[in-house]
Amino acid sequence: ELKVEQNPLFLSMQEGKNYTIYCNYSTTSDRLYWYRQDPGKSLESLFVLLSNGAVKQEGRLMASLDTKARLSTLHITAAVHDLSATYFCAVVPLIKAAGNKLTFGGGTRVLVKP
Amino acid sequence: DTAVSQTPKYLVTQMGNDKSIKCEQNLGHDTMYWYKQDSKKFLKIMFSYNNKELIINETVPNRFSPKSPDKAHLNLHINSLELGDSAVYFCASSHLAGPGYNEQFFGPGTRLTVL
Repeated sequence: ELKVEQNPLFLSMQEGKNYTIYCNYSTTSDRLYWYRQDPGKSLESLFVLLSNGAVKQEGRLMASLDTKARLSTLHITAAVHDLSATYFCAVVPLIKAAGNKLTFGGGTRVLVKP
Repeated sequence: DTAVSQTPKYLVTQMGNDKSIKCEQNLGHDTMYWYKQDSKKFLKIMFSYNNKELIINETVPNRFSPKSPDKAHLNLHINSLELGDSAVYFCASSHLAGPGYNEQFFGPGTRLTVL
């Protein structure tokens, strides 16, 4: 059974500093997604990572994927208050029988303080 | 132009009742999903339909019955509601295969509270 672990589960950030969220998964995958969820809201897609070494950047967020290590990172540069949210990674296993089933990590709750 | 919509947004009901949640997508996707998010924010897939055919059926009590009348709609009916069913239920849609990222787009969620 695929397991997806994120750490930390909670991250208190200071504005202007850099931080990293880690996502480890337990089985071979060719697709990894990062989502953002604001309190009481839906999930918003941030990044889709499809291959080993993939790196995507949007604003202060950068995501990367190492399929050999089964690890993805979400790096936050110069944190600002607007980035306060819960961030989820999600993985689709490589086996065809999995369909397009997303297995989510437990989420990382980010709070950016002034 | 809402891409994935769900109704109702909030649902408060008594234990033992039967309720339904509806989902519609206008993205032209062929696959739709139901996810459950519990009070600790943990998200888990429940069901998936591809072109009206059930393709993912996780270990979910058989009180939960999904129905897909066409590929743009996926409903979730829940019989004999229990306290533990209280959660936020998200519908999502995507393409299943082919070129592209098969990225899943989520609806706004339905917050179900069972009293």
